[in-house]
Amino acid sequence: DADVTQTPRNRITKTGKRIMLECSQTKGHDRMYWYRQDPGLGLRLIYYSFDVKDINKGEISDGYSVSRQAQAKFSLSLESAIPNQTALYFCATSAAALAGPWDEQFFGPGTRLTVL
Amino acid sequence: AQKITQTQPGMFVQEKEAVTLDCTYDTSDPSYGLFWYKQPSSGEMIFLIYQGSYDQQNATEGRYSLNFQKARKSANLVISASQLGDSAMYFCAMREGQRDTGGFKTIFGAGTRLFVKA
Repeated sequence: DADVTQTPRNRITKTGKRIMLECSQTKGHDRMYWYRQDPGLGLRLIYYSFDVKDINKGEISDGYSVSRQAQAKFSLSLESAIPNQTALYFCATSAAALAGPWDEQFFGPGTRLTVL
Repeated sequence: AQKITQTQPGMFVQEKEAVTLDCTYDTSDPSYGLFWYKQPSSGEMIFLIYQGSYDQQNATEGRYSLNFQKARKSANLVISASQLGDSAMYFCAMREGQRDTGGFKTIFGAGTRLFVKA
């Protein structure tokens, strides 16, 4: 079974609709992240959370909100979807490395979202 | 200014040959980590290799090695003995700093698409 799962894997929605993307992990990691990927731009950080009570905005948080329901669950919401939010969305997790201030991230399979 | 630059949008390599994917980075933080990820056509992100800014030796993981030149701020990925399954998008990423300075953010390059020819 995958350690980091995302649901749905694909979603087509209309402008103005509210949509939630969900992420679950069984790795026992305390840190979770949401990224979006657009062609030619790599991955950009939307929100990140170091534990259940710690949520931080990333590079491109406008138009998005998140909820960390439990250590293992981190959901991303688009309150009113717009076409330029069409992208591939990744959830990632990490645990603090023992040897340094950086930590390896493990990615989910991605959710392809299309906003018409 | 770009913090992570991958100047090769696409690369071709013959099967069984070595290939180098370029990555340059920009940071003023003395503490950072450099990562390479592979993204095949199926879309998932696969971690390949990691290099810490204080590491004295270049990182290696199987057929992957990271040519880390700190003074030049480059972290090129070398894939030896290319295989057809290496055809994918490759992303260089940098993770800066420490939490109390607002760090722990990962910045990704735009990626390089590698095509391995039989």
